[in-house]
Amino acid sequence: DAGITQSPRHKVTETGTPVTLRCHQTENHRYMYWYRQDPGHGLRLIHYSYGVKDTDKGEVSDGYSVSRSKTEDFLLTLESATSSQTSVYFCAISGTGENTGELFFGEGSRLTVL
Amino acid sequence: AQSVAQPEDQVNVAEGNPLTVKCTYSVSGNPYLFWYVQYPNRGLQFLLKYITGDNLVKGSYGFEAEFNKSQTSFHLKKPSALVSDSALYFCAVRDGGSARQLTFGSGTQLTVLP
Repeated sequence: DAGITQSPRHKVTETGTPVTLRCHQTENHRYMYWYRQDPGHGLRLIHYSYGVKDTDKGEVSDGYSVSRSKTEDFLLTLESATSSQTSVYFCAISGTGENTGELFFGEGSRLTVL
Repeated sequence: AQSVAQPEDQVNVAEGNPLTVKCTYSVSGNPYLFWYVQYPNRGLQFLLKYITGDNLVKGSYGFEAEFNKSQTSFHLKKPSALVSDSALYFCAVRDGGSARQLTFGSGTQLTVLP
C-alpha cells in the first residue's frame, strides 16, 4: 500500500456549510493531487501540489481551495458546499523512481451535500 | 490539451474468453499511458503503463496493453477472463513534459459472466 489516508471517509453536510477533506501520506512524495469521481466523467483533477505551499488549479477547481503546509498533508476545502459538489473525492500521490508517472490513490471520501 | 476516450461504457464477456477494453488518446508530445482498475468502494489500483520501448506492455493479474501510435490507441487485453476481473477500468494519459497530472477516461465497466 502507498501509505495514503483520507479523512473523513464519509460525510453528509448541508448546502452552504464549509467542508475540509484531509489527505495524509507517509511516503514523503512531492506531488499530491485531488480528483473527484462522478459517473460518466471518470476522474477529474481539482487541484494539485508540487511542494509545500506550491499548488495549482486543475480542470474543475471552481468552488474549491487547497492548502499544503507540510509535505505529508494536502487539504481540500469547499468554502460553501453546493449539491453539485456531491461526489467521491480521491487523493493521489505521484510515484518516483521505477514508479515514475504512476499515481497511487487513497480509498476515497464520499461527500453528500443536501 | 490532453484527452482520453473510452468508447464503451460497458463490456460483457464470458469467463474464459479473451477480453478487450478500448482506449484512444490525444496528447502533444510523447504520451505516457496508464490503465487503472477500481473495485467497488475502493480507490484506483495501477495495472500497467507505457512510457517508451516495447509496444506490448504486460501488467498485473495477466493483463496487457498494446500501444499503437498510428491509431493513438492503448487497448487493454487479457487472453482469458475471470469473474474476479469484473470491475471499473480507467485509461489515463499524460504528456511526458507535463507537471505529472493524469487525464482519465470516463471508465469502462467490465462484467465477466460465469
